[in-house]
Amino acid sequence: RKEVEQDPGPFNVPEGATVAFNCTYSNSASQSFFWYRQDCRKEPKLLMSVYSSGNEDGRFTAQLNRASQYISLLIRDSKLSDSATYLCVVNAVYNKLIFGAGTRLAVHP
Amino acid sequence: GAVVSQHPSWVICKSGTSVKIECRSLDFQATTMFWYRQFPKQSLMLMATSNEGSKATYEQGVEKDKFLINHASLTLSTLTVTSAHPEDSSFYICSASPGNEKLFFGSGTQLSVL
Repeated sequence: RKEVEQDPGPFNVPEGATVAFNCTYSNSASQSFFWYRQDCRKEPKLLMSVYSSGNEDGRFTAQLNRASQYISLLIRDSKLSDSATYLCVVNAVYNKLIFGAGTRLAVHP
Repeated sequence: GAVVSQHPSWVICKSGTSVKIECRSLDFQATTMFWYRQFPKQSLMLMATSNEGSKATYEQGVEKDKFLINHASLTLSTLTVTSAHPEDSSFYICSASPGNEKLFFGSGTQLSVL
């Protein structure tokens, strides 16, 4: 079983749609959780950290369920510029990040 | 914000040659840097943890004699792919932290071995 599992997609959605990505992790001792965004052949960029209480940043909402070892990302009112690969990332040991394979999102006009 | 510079961004080489990739933290000191590799449509895989002044820690399955890591200063780590072969063609990327939970990535190096 992979340490971090994501649905690879792709998710093809029209502009304005709401889309949700899910992720599960296997190490119950994991300390912190993140969503990163990666464009093709570019470095990943931190989108947001994920907390148990849930957190929101504009159109993006992230949620963590430690009991189920499950992380989610919700994107509302999708923009063309949201097209990218979204990486679920888990930090089990100090700054040693474990990346999911990513979920591809394609937003079309 | 903190910046990590990675160089070169793109390299093509012949099979059997060695390629050196540099990773520099420009405005902070990093005792630890990380090297990742990403094959097309796959996740970033941690190759090794580079420790300033000591030997790197390699992940299982990564050949330490193949991927030489040197972290000679607090701002520079290098990854040398020795005797590169076509199967080593990949996207290599480094990351570094100024000591808090924040992690900053280099812009990556696309290596193509002919």
